[in-house]
Amino acid sequence: AQSVTQLDSQVPVFEEAPVELRCNYSSSVSVYLFWYVQYPNQGLQLLLKYLSGSTLVESINGFEAEFNKSQTSFHLRKPSVHISDTAEYFCAVTDTGTASKLTFGTGTRLQVTL
Amino acid sequence: NAGVTQTPKFQVLKTGQSMTLQCAQDMNHNSMYWYRQDPGMGLRLIYYSASEGTTDKGEVPNGYNVSRLNKREFSLRLESAAPSQTSVYFCASSDRDSGSPLHFGNGTRLTVT
Repeated sequence: AQSVTQLDSQVPVFEEAPVELRCNYSSSVSVYLFWYVQYPNQGLQLLLKYLSGSTLVESINGFEAEFNKSQTSFHLRKPSVHISDTAEYFCAVTDTGTASKLTFGTGTRLQVTL
Repeated sequence: NAGVTQTPKFQVLKTGQSMTLQCAQDMNHNSMYWYRQDPGMGLRLIYYSASEGTTDKGEVPNGYNVSRLNKREFSLRLESAAPSQTSVYFCASSDRDSGSPLHFGNGTRLTVT
């Protein structure tokens, strides 16, 4: 079984500042890793994913995450945040099996202010 | 482009009442899922259906039943609601492969009094 730890429940940051949202996972098998974003009163949307290959993956809106197998981490970063990035972010893991049975972290609320 | 549609959006039940949450997807996905979201606990898998005709328990199945009616529809039933089932429920779908992302509905906010 897998587990995901998001240590920071809330991260306040000023607009245009950099941000890092931390995610650590545990698993005894090979995994796929995901970051999802949830805006108020909506479902979750995929932000980015790591399946294989390059350990650095990017989203279309400037976020990136790096898979670090030795540290079992998949931290999410953005060099300069915008007000519109205010949302809850969830890290998730699944084993490389036949169904996307994701295990989610408890989420990190990113609050961007002027 | 509807994606994943959940009904109802809101529901209030009294303890002991029953109800069914409906979910339909129009993306021809094989797999469907029911999650519940509670503050500070993230999303927890209740049941999933890897393909039409199959269902399996997730992390928190007690008190729930599911039906995969056809490839499009996956319903969640609460036979006798309890206050502990107050939550936001999300349905999701994906292609069968585990690297495929989940597509979520907008959720059903359920309150059990």
